[in-house]
Amino acid sequence: KQEVTQIPAALSVPEGENLVLNCSFTDSAIYNLQWFRQDPGKGLTSLLLIQSSQREQTSGRLNASLDKSSGRSTLYIAASQPGDSATYLCAALGADYKLSFGAGTTVTVRA
Amino acid sequence: DVKVTQSSRYLVKRTGEKVFLECVQDMDHENMFWYRQDPGLGLRLIYFSYDVKMKEKGDIPEGYSVSREKKERFSLILESASTNQTSMYLCASKRQGENIQYFGAGTRLSVL
Repeated sequence: KQEVTQIPAALSVPEGENLVLNCSFTDSAIYNLQWFRQDPGKGLTSLLLIQSSQREQTSGRLNASLDKSSGRSTLYIAASQPGDSATYLCAALGADYKLSFGAGTTVTVRA
Repeated sequence: DVKVTQSSRYLVKRTGEKVFLECVQDMDHENMFWYRQDPGLGLRLIYFSYDVKMKEKGDIPEGYSVSREKKERFSLILESASTNQTSMYLCASKRQGENIQYFGAGTRLSVL
């Protein structure tokens, strides 16, 4: 059974600092790895999706990398802003076509 | 834009009540999903449906059932609500053969 872990559970940084969010998974047989953003009391918004054949994906200030062999993905957010404050979740799509989610990292960017 | 709509943002129910959580999507997606989200546990899959009248158990189906009578609507049913079912419930849908799920805003259910 796929286990997805996100460490740390919470992170607080001053505005302008770069953010590094970690995600690890136990089963490397995945189709893709997806990063989501969740604002308090809201649903999930997809940020980036990395196919298993890819090493990274970029969208604006966001960059996500994937290392299947070591079971790791990292989400980088450059020059953080208070509006980046949210919970970030990663999810791995397994061979059974089910998404396995991490518990999330809650980010606070201080103005 | 894909729209997944969950009929209630907040619900408060009493122990033993029968509870219906409704989810509607407007993109003719074949696959629909129900998750619950609890602090420190992430999202866990309760049930999913490949198509109309089809359903499959997820990782934590106990205490829940589902109904998919029409393609656009997927209902989660708590036959007899219990306090341990207090949680955030999220619905998602996707097109068959594609890998991106689209999520609703969630329903926060409190069972007293």
